[in-house]
Amino acid sequence: DAMVIQNPRYQVTQFGKPVTLSCSQTLNHNVMYWYQQKSSQAPKLLFHYYDKDFNNEADTPDNFQSRRPNTSFCFLDIRSPGLGDAAMYLCATSRDLAGVGNEQFFGPGTRLTVL
Amino acid sequence: GENVEQHPSTLSVQEGDSAVIKCTYSDSASNYFPWYKQELGKGPQLIIDIRSNVGEKKDQRIAVTLNKTAKHFSLHITETQPEDSAVYFCAASRGSGNTGKLIFGQGTTLQVKP
Repeated sequence: DAMVIQNPRYQVTQFGKPVTLSCSQTLNHNVMYWYQQKSSQAPKLLFHYYDKDFNNEADTPDNFQSRRPNTSFCFLDIRSPGLGDAAMYLCATSRDLAGVGNEQFFGPGTRLTVL
Repeated sequence: GENVEQHPSTLSVQEGDSAVIKCTYSDSASNYFPWYKQELGKGPQLIIDIRSNVGEKKDQRIAVTLNKTAKHFSLHITETQPEDSAVYFCAASRGSGNTGKLIFGQGTTLQVKP
């Protein structure tokens, strides 16, 4: 019955070693979002896809990339993880861009540790 | 830029008491205000939301009020239970379109003591 699925739930990587986080959804929503959430902070939007259109936030580092090969899947690639990239990464979806009638559904998150 | 301020950052109440969390937003074009509950190690879960054409909305023990003139909205939880303990985030959005993203408050850690 899961709607937004993230794999893995926990990921450990080494400093500078590329890592990919996965998100899938069964809701057939148009929009998929990636957020970074550090301890005791609010989620911070990195980017989102509206269908195949990629929308990057102005302050998202180039180290973070994303791919959406189809409606159901979206990937977050961190090309060269630094210690400061250790965080919870949340995937979310919405039928249309967030707003009236377009609530965002969040996945359980992937906890990334960088050694 | 767009900003949402949330208070208090931590709130401790006795089981059965009420809890109130307040948020203020800066963008007068915001028209959608969701509240999320995040339990430890989990993703945020939408618990209630309100649109700008509504002043109050209630769902069992949870209610949200909106004052558009003052640009603030509040979450009210009555008859609190230990399972209400979590981090609560408010958010604001302009609605659909390229500016439809959520702007989150800083979060409130609610502790309900048995």
